[in-house]
Amino acid sequence: NAGVTQTPKFRILKIGQSMTLQCTQDMNHNYMYWYRQDPGMGLKLIYYSVGAGITDKGEVPNGYNVSRSTTEDFPLRLELAAPSQTSVYFCASSSGSGYGYTFGSGTRLTVV
Amino acid sequence: GDSVTQMEGPVTLSEEAFLTINCTYTATGYPSLFWYVQYPGEGLQLLLKATKADDKGSNKGFEATYRKETTSFHLEKGSVQVSDSAVYFCALSEGTGGFKTIFGAGTRLFVKA
Repeated sequence: NAGVTQTPKFRILKIGQSMTLQCTQDMNHNYMYWYRQDPGMGLKLIYYSVGAGITDKGEVPNGYNVSRSTTEDFPLRLELAAPSQTSVYFCASSSGSGYGYTFGSGTRLTVV
Repeated sequence: GDSVTQMEGPVTLSEEAFLTINCTYTATGYPSLFWYVQYPGEGLQLLLKATKADDKGSNKGFEATYRKETTSFHLEKGSVQVSDSAVYFCALSEGTGGFKTIFGAGTRLFVKA
């Protein structure tokens, strides 16, 4: 039972480069989320999805894009990376209200 | 909008001490409340939850009670262990808007042997 799988675990990008953070869940959850975690700042929601083909912006969506073509996958795309995007990124999934989230192990991204 | 405020850390305790981490929230509706724990280098794990007023969530010796009158959800444990050293996040989730969760800033706990 893998839960939520994120790849890669670590990545260094140069300013202006692009990359995709992968997220896959095997629990058949409809709801999926991307958060970023900055030191001492808690978690901020970037994008979320309530089902395949449906996505919406969270609190800090600028500089990111997402897609949800299947229930299992929810990739996060960074275009034109900037130093302000240096962070730890977490993907999570849920079956709905009151159940809580299952988190992936995170991707530590550094933009230099 | 909705928000979660938890006590600043770090909190440093000796093994077998009593733990309290305070958490208060602001919400327009009737949210579900959660505590998550994050060990070094890992993602967050759900520790316990409560979905309505006066519910008590419990797990691994940790407890928290949903207090609507004081809008609080304080985390407690009677006797901490070194292995409890981690960052603890209080969080709330409303029943609308994709069940998005709002997290507090986190409280780091150090337990000394």
